[in-house]
Amino acid sequence: GAVVSQHPSRVICKSGTSVKIECRSLDFQATTMFWYRQFPKQSLMLMATSNEGSKATYEQGVEKDKFLINHASLTLSTLTVTSAHPEDSSFYICSARSLPGQEGFQETQYFGPGTRLLVL
Amino acid sequence: QKEVEQNSGPLSVPEGAIASLNCTYSDRVSQSFFWYRQYSGKSPELIMSIYSNGDKEDGRFTAQLNKASQYVSLLIRDSQPSDSATYLCAVNKNTNAGKSTFGDGTTLTVKP
Repeated sequence: GAVVSQHPSRVICKSGTSVKIECRSLDFQATTMFWYRQFPKQSLMLMATSNEGSKATYEQGVEKDKFLINHASLTLSTLTVTSAHPEDSSFYICSARSLPGQEGFQETQYFGPGTRLLVL
Repeated sequence: QKEVEQNSGPLSVPEGAIASLNCTYSDRVSQSFFWYRQYSGKSPELIMSIYSNGDKEDGRFTAQLNKASQYVSLLIRDSQPSDSATYLCAVNKNTNAGKSTFGDGTTLTVKP
Protein backbone atom coordinates (compact mmCIF):
# COMPACT_ATOMS: atom_id res chain seq x y z
CA GLY A 1 0.00 0.00 0.00
CA ALA A 2 0.82 3.70 0.23
CA VAL A 3 1.83 4.23 -3.37
CA VAL A 4 2.30 7.77 -4.61
CA SER A 5 3.14 8.38 -8.24
CA GLN A 6 4.54 11.41 -10.00
CA HIS A 7 4.53 12.23 -13.66
CA PRO A 8 6.74 12.95 -15.44
CA SER A 9 9.78 11.48 -13.74
CA ARG A 10 12.11 13.67 -15.73
CA VAL A 11 11.57 16.74 -17.88
CA ILE A 12 13.82 18.99 -19.88
CA CYS A 13 12.39 22.26 -21.10
CA LYS A 14 13.44 25.57 -22.56
CA SER A 15 13.61 28.68 -20.45
CA GLY A 16 10.29 30.52 -20.38
CA THR A 17 8.06 27.51 -20.80
CA SER A 18 5.69 26.10 -18.20
CA VAL A 19 5.91 22.60 -16.80
CA LYS A 20 3.15 20.68 -15.06
CA ILE A 21 3.93 17.90 -12.59
CA GLU A 22 1.24 15.50 -11.40
CA CYS A 23 1.15 13.77 -8.04
CA ARG A 24 -1.29 10.93 -7.45
CA SER A 25 -2.04 8.76 -4.44
CA LEU A 26 -2.88 5.42 -6.02
CA ASP A 27 -4.29 3.33 -3.20
CA PHE A 28 -5.42 5.78 -0.55
CA GLN A 29 -7.15 9.11 -0.22
CA ALA A 30 -5.15 12.17 0.71
CA THR A 31 -6.75 15.42 1.78
CA THR A 32 -3.30 16.93 2.07
CA MET A 33 -0.37 16.78 -0.30
CA PHE A 34 2.96 18.50 0.09
CA TRP A 35 5.35 19.77 -2.54
CA TYR A 36 9.07 19.84 -1.87
CA ARG A 37 12.12 20.90 -3.81
CA GLN A 38 15.57 19.50 -3.28
CA PHE A 39 18.77 20.82 -4.77
CA PRO A 40 21.81 18.53 -5.05
CA LYS A 41 23.31 17.58 -1.70
CA GLN A 42 20.81 19.76 0.14
CA SER A 43 17.87 18.93 2.37
CA LEU A 44 14.21 18.85 1.44
CA MET A 45 12.63 22.26 1.24
CA LEU A 46 8.88 22.42 1.70
CA MET A 47 7.35 24.66 -0.93
CA ALA A 48 3.64 24.40 -0.20
CA THR A 49 0.88 22.43 1.42
CA SER A 50 -1.95 21.49 -0.88
CA ASN A 51 -5.42 20.79 0.50
CA GLU A 52 -8.17 19.24 -1.59
CA GLY A 53 -10.75 21.81 -2.60
CA SER A 54 -8.96 24.83 -1.19
CA LYS A 55 -6.05 27.12 -1.95
CA ALA A 56 -2.56 25.92 -1.27
CA THR A 57 -0.55 27.32 1.59
CA TYR A 58 2.88 28.46 0.47
CA GLU A 59 6.01 28.60 2.58
CA GLN A 60 7.78 31.88 3.07
CA GLY A 61 9.81 32.88 0.05
CA VAL A 62 7.96 30.64 -2.42
CA GLU A 63 6.23 32.59 -5.18
CA LYS A 64 2.65 31.40 -5.46
CA ASP A 65 2.22 32.93 -8.91
CA LYS A 66 5.23 31.05 -10.20
CA PHE A 67 4.44 27.70 -8.62
CA LEU A 68 0.76 27.06 -9.23
CA ILE A 69 -0.81 24.26 -7.24
CA ASN A 70 -4.15 22.63 -7.91
CA HIS A 71 -5.51 19.90 -5.65
CA ALA A 72 -8.55 18.86 -7.65
CA SER A 73 -9.41 15.60 -5.92
CA LEU A 74 -8.50 13.40 -2.98
CA THR A 75 -5.96 11.59 -5.16
CA LEU A 76 -4.48 14.24 -7.42
CA SER A 77 -2.47 17.41 -6.97
CA THR A 78 -0.57 19.26 -9.69
CA LEU A 79 2.32 21.69 -9.53
CA THR A 80 2.88 23.98 -12.50
CA VAL A 81 6.18 25.79 -12.74
CA THR A 82 5.35 28.82 -14.85
CA SER A 83 7.91 30.56 -17.03
CA ALA A 84 10.62 28.23 -15.85
CA HIS A 85 14.21 29.45 -15.69
CA PRO A 86 17.48 27.57 -15.23
CA GLU A 87 17.49 28.37 -11.50
CA ASP A 88 14.24 26.37 -11.19
CA SER A 89 16.11 23.23 -12.20
CA SER A 90 15.75 20.90 -9.25
CA PHE A 91 14.28 17.67 -7.92
CA TYR A 92 10.60 18.20 -7.15
CA ILE A 93 9.01 15.71 -4.79
CA CYS A 94 5.42 15.44 -3.68
CA SER A 95 4.09 13.60 -0.69
CA ALA A 96 0.60 12.62 0.31
CA ARG A 97 -0.78 12.36 3.81
CA SER A 98 -3.34 9.64 4.32
CA LEU A 99 -6.69 10.40 5.88
CA PRO A 100 -7.00 9.38 9.51
CA GLY A 101 -8.52 5.99 10.07
CA GLN A 102 -7.69 4.42 6.73
CA GLU A 103 -6.85 0.87 7.65
CA GLY A 104 -3.32 -0.12 6.90
CA PHE A 105 -1.99 3.38 6.48
CA GLN A 106 -0.01 5.35 8.96
CA GLU A 107 -0.96 8.97 9.41
CA THR A 108 2.21 10.21 7.85
CA GLN A 109 3.55 11.35 4.54
CA TYR A 110 4.21 8.98 1.71
CA PHE A 111 6.55 10.34 -0.91
CA GLY A 112 6.31 10.11 -4.65
CA PRO A 113 9.39 9.13 -6.66
CA GLY A 114 10.17 12.73 -7.62
CA THR A 115 10.44 14.70 -10.83
CA ARG A 116 13.77 15.92 -12.03
CA LEU A 117 13.40 19.23 -13.88
CA LEU A 118 16.13 20.66 -16.06
CA VAL A 119 15.54 24.07 -17.59
CA LEU A 120 17.89 24.97 -20.40
CA GLN B 1 18.50 27.01 16.31
CA LYS B 2 16.90 24.69 13.80
CA GLU B 3 13.64 23.04 14.75
CA VAL B 4 15.03 19.60 13.95
CA GLU B 5 18.76 18.98 14.16
CA GLN B 6 20.80 16.06 12.96
CA ASN B 7 24.51 15.50 12.63
CA SER B 8 25.23 15.81 8.93
CA GLY B 9 27.90 13.14 9.07
CA PRO B 10 29.12 11.40 7.16
CA LEU B 11 28.81 8.54 9.59
CA SER B 12 30.85 5.54 8.58
CA VAL B 13 30.47 2.09 10.14
CA PRO B 14 31.80 -1.31 9.12
CA GLU B 15 29.45 -3.96 7.79
CA GLY B 16 27.75 -5.84 10.62
CA ALA B 17 28.13 -3.02 13.13
CA ILE B 18 25.41 -0.96 14.77
CA ALA B 19 24.78 2.45 13.25
CA SER B 20 23.36 5.06 15.61
CA LEU B 21 21.65 8.12 14.21
CA ASN B 22 20.49 10.95 16.44
CA CYS B 23 17.98 13.76 16.12
CA THR B 24 16.92 16.54 18.47
CA TYR B 25 13.93 18.80 18.16
CA SER B 26 13.09 22.12 19.73
CA ASP B 27 9.29 22.18 19.98
CA ARG B 28 8.00 20.39 23.07
CA VAL B 29 4.50 20.03 21.62
CA SER B 30 5.79 17.68 18.91
CA GLN B 31 3.85 14.44 18.92
CA SER B 32 4.91 12.25 15.99
CA PHE B 33 8.37 11.29 14.88
CA PHE B 34 9.54 9.63 11.70
CA TRP B 35 12.70 8.32 10.13
CA TYR B 36 13.05 8.34 6.36
CA ARG B 37 15.80 6.85 4.23
CA GLN B 38 16.83 8.62 1.05
CA TYR B 39 19.16 7.03 -1.46
CA SER B 40 21.10 9.36 -3.69
CA GLY B 41 18.91 10.66 -6.49
CA LYS B 42 15.77 9.11 -5.04
CA SER B 43 12.89 10.39 -2.92
CA PRO B 44 12.59 9.64 0.81
CA GLU B 45 11.15 6.35 1.99
CA LEU B 46 9.48 5.95 5.39
CA ILE B 47 11.22 3.33 7.52
CA MET B 48 10.03 3.98 11.07
CA SER B 49 7.50 6.00 13.00
CA ILE B 50 7.28 6.44 16.76
CA TYR B 51 4.76 8.26 18.88
CA SER B 52 5.45 7.40 22.54
CA ASN B 53 8.49 7.31 24.75
CA GLY B 54 10.63 4.21 24.63
CA ASP B 55 11.84 1.87 21.95
CA LYS B 56 10.12 0.58 18.86
CA GLU B 57 11.68 -2.25 16.91
CA ASP B 58 11.10 -3.29 13.32
CA GLY B 59 13.51 -5.86 11.99
CA ARG B 60 17.03 -4.45 12.14
CA PHE B 61 15.75 -0.97 12.95
CA THR B 62 15.00 0.40 16.42
CA ALA B 63 13.64 3.88 16.99
CA GLN B 64 14.06 5.42 20.42
CA LEU B 65 12.11 8.42 21.68
CA ASN B 66 12.71 10.52 24.77
CA LYS B 67 10.29 13.42 24.87
CA ALA B 68 11.69 14.83 28.09
CA SER B 69 15.09 15.22 26.47
CA GLN B 70 13.57 16.02 23.08
CA TYR B 71 15.54 13.51 21.11
CA VAL B 72 14.79 10.62 18.86
CA SER B 73 17.29 8.14 17.57
CA LEU B 74 17.50 5.33 15.06
CA LEU B 75 19.64 2.26 15.55
CA ILE B 76 20.45 0.00 12.64
CA ARG B 77 21.74 -3.40 13.71
CA ASP B 78 23.88 -5.61 11.50
CA SER B 79 24.45 -2.72 9.11
CA GLN B 80 24.68 -3.64 5.44
CA PRO B 81 26.23 -1.73 2.54
CA SER B 82 22.69 -1.34 1.20
CA ASP B 83 21.91 0.76 4.28
CA SER B 84 24.24 3.44 2.94
CA ALA B 85 21.98 6.44 2.42
CA THR B 86 20.92 9.72 3.96
CA TYR B 87 18.58 9.34 6.91
CA LEU B 88 16.06 12.10 7.55
CA CYS B 89 14.41 12.74 10.86
CA ALA B 90 10.95 14.32 10.68
CA VAL B 91 8.76 15.72 13.43
CA ASN B 92 5.02 16.50 13.41
CA LYS B 93 3.16 18.73 15.77
CA ASN B 94 0.08 16.71 14.89
CA THR B 95 -1.90 19.71 13.75
CA ASN B 96 -4.63 19.16 11.20
CA ALA B 97 -2.21 20.22 8.48
CA GLY B 98 0.05 17.30 9.33
CA LYS B 99 3.09 19.21 8.15
CA SER B 100 6.40 17.60 9.03
CA THR B 101 9.56 19.47 9.84
CA PHE B 102 12.59 17.67 8.46
CA GLY B 103 16.14 17.66 9.63
CA ASP B 104 18.93 18.10 7.10
CA GLY B 105 19.74 14.41 7.26
CA THR B 106 22.68 12.24 8.28
CA THR B 107 24.65 10.48 5.59
CA LEU B 108 25.53 6.92 6.53
CA THR B 109 28.16 4.85 4.78
CA VAL B 110 28.45 1.16 5.59
CA LYS B 111 31.80 -0.21 4.46
CA PRO B 112 32.06 -3.86 3.38
